Amino acid sequence: AQKITQTQPGMFVQEKEAVTLDCTYDTSDQSYGLFWYKQPSSGEMIFLIYQGSYDEQNATEGRYSLNFQKARKSANLVISASQLGDSAMYFCAMSPESYNTDKLIFGTGTRLQVFP
Amino acid sequence: KAGVTQTPRYLIKTRGQQVTLSCSPISGHRSVSWYQQTPGQGLQFLFEYFSETQRNKGNFPGRFSGRQFSNSRSEMNVSTLELGDSALYLCASSLGFDRANTEAFFGQGTRLTVV
Repeated sequence: AQKITQTQPGMFVQEKEAVTLDCTYDTSDQSYGLFWYKQPSSGEMIFLIYQGSYDEQNATEGRYSLNFQKARKSANLVISASQLGDSAMYFCAMSPESYNTDKLIFGTGTRLQVFP
Repeated sequence: KAGVTQTPRYLIKTRGQQVTLSCSPISGHRSVSWYQQTPGQGLQFLFEYFSETQRNKGNFPGRFSGRQFSNSRSEMNVSTLELGDSALYLCASSLGFDRANTEAFFGQGTRLTVV
């Protein structure tokens, strides 16, 4: 069975600093996708970044980058130059790379608080 | 383009009642997935619909059901509500058949409170 583990319930970072949110996963699938979502207090899940299991380069999207270490089964999110608006819950998720499902399995989340 | 629309945003129901939640996906998206989010259990997958057919289901009792219409809009129904059904219900819309970077777009959710 697939599983996502996020071991940091909460993280604090000062504005303009970088922060790494940890995510490890477990799957026996050869092909899978890894996602990070941000959930502000409003409740909406906002897509941040995606990494496919066969992608050799780490994904980047603006201030977000995904540190993908396949052998260690980790997919950490790095946010550079944190902003106050980055304060939110962050979820790591996994999906099998299948044409038959778009199901996502989520971790328990990390609450990030950015302070001035 | 318009995002994913979930209605209603908030709902209060009494134990034993039933409830129907609605989700309108992004135009062109054929897959709609539903998730339940609670403080205790986190985000849990309920079911996924693609082209009016349920193609994946999570581990929820039969009181939870759903359907998808020909325009890809989806509804989920919970019958005989229990206090533990109080949660944020999120709907996700995706293309459904392109596995290259198929991020799911979520609605703002429906917050259901059962009293």
